[in-house]
Amino acid sequence: DAKTTQPPSMDCAEGRAANLPCNHSTISGNEYVYWYRQIHSQGPQYIIHGLKNNETNEMASLIITEDRKSSTLILPHATLRDTAVYYCIVSPSGATNKLIFGTGTLLAVQP
Amino acid sequence: GAVVSQHPSRVICKSGTSVKIECRSLDFQATTMFWYRQFPKKSLMLMATSNEGSKATYEQGVEKDKFLINHASLTLSTLTVTSAHPEDSSFYICSAETPGTKSGELFFGEGSRLTVL
Repeated sequence: DAKTTQPPSMDCAEGRAANLPCNHSTISGNEYVYWYRQIHSQGPQYIIHGLKNNETNEMASLIITEDRKSSTLILPHATLRDTAVYYCIVSPSGATNKLIFGTGTLLAVQP
Repeated sequence: GAVVSQHPSRVICKSGTSVKIECRSLDFQATTMFWYRQFPKKSLMLMATSNEGSKATYEQGVEKDKFLINHASLTLSTLTVTSAHPEDSSFYICSAETPGTKSGELFFGEGSRLTVL
């Protein structure tokens, strides 16, 4: 079973920051937080992951609370092409780890 | 970034026939690939873990005789849906992990949509 809870849907205005929350209150010490997104009828796309420090890459920023029980994915300037289902996943790192997807958040970026 | 390609992207078949879906890692070697299926408006469900040179590991509730997985080389895994029925109609997606790069960063194929008539 997925170990994360996400809101089923969110709206965001184009050009604004999109902040997607995720609760993972039962996360273990060796589990990372991963974010993927899936645009309609395509395979999922890796966005970012982290253990306990905040992370940033060219796509997004990941903010993890100090107790690691929740996190927020931030898309700094959402575009229409960011409309997708965003999945927050917790999983141990390492080779052959398998990702269990929850229901995700459908982010709709509005013009 | 690494590329995973699936073929075919869409397939329609008659009930009772078998369908093979290929998953290829185009610019890297993947010792482990994963197969998922996804029903409309639902999340991805992990079906099995495909290991190069050995038998696949199936998730609970997935029939291994129904969904045959072969990972004969480091760049190719195949999923064969045997004696397909309409309830097997789904979006099938594979993924592969690149050894030596960021752990957990799976690369996914474009998906294969199977419709069984």
